[in-house]
Amino acid sequence: NAGVTQTPKFQVLKTGQSMTLQCAQDMNHEYMSWYRQDPGMGLRLIHYSVGAGITDQGEVPNGYNVSRSTTEDFPLRLLSAAPSQTSVYFCASSSPGQGMPLHFGNGTRLTVT
Amino acid sequence: AQSVTQPDIHITVSEGASLELRCNYSYGATPYLFWYVQSPGQGLQLLLKYFSGDTLVQGIKGFEAEFKRSQSSFNLRKPSVHWSDAAEYFCAVGDSLNFNKFYFGSGTKLNVKP
Repeated sequence: NAGVTQTPKFQVLKTGQSMTLQCAQDMNHEYMSWYRQDPGMGLRLIHYSVGAGITDQGEVPNGYNVSRSTTEDFPLRLLSAAPSQTSVYFCASSSPGQGMPLHFGNGTRLTVT
Repeated sequence: AQSVTQPDIHITVSEGASLELRCNYSYGATPYLFWYVQSPGQGLQLLLKYFSGDTLVQGIKGFEAEFKRSQSSFNLRKPSVHWSDAAEYFCAVGDSLNFNKFYFGSGTKLNVKP
């Protein structure tokens, strides 16, 4: 019962470096999304995907890229990291349909110095 | 615009006492409402959800929540808190027009006194 798997769990980057946060799910969910969690702000949607080959922007997409080549994987790319991107990142997936809940990974804690 | 408000940032209750966590939402259509719990270093786990029907919904770990349309609220309750309930709780609204979009409150951190 892997569910949603995120790697790495922790990452420290220097300003300007790039990296990819990995997310994989084994529940055959069509919907996948990335959130960032900052103190006092809850979770904010970065990007989401409704299926392979289809992505769209959420509430805070600037500085992040995504692609969805398979149903299982939904990586999040930071092309040039900035200190403002220090956060905890969560990947989530869900089945399509009304009222279907999100299933979350355990998060990636990213620090940009 | 859609929004979710959790007015209490921190709450401390004694073990065995009752608990109510507040959640108010702003959403134009019929909302899908959720409560999630997050333990330290973990992802969010679904406690319960309201989609339609009975406005009092039961969840896991003895939690329940009541949807009150007139008050735009979806408060979470538990009659007797256990030390293991100490965590952060998030209320969320699901977008009924775009099923992949959810709007989260800022969270309420629950501390349980022995």
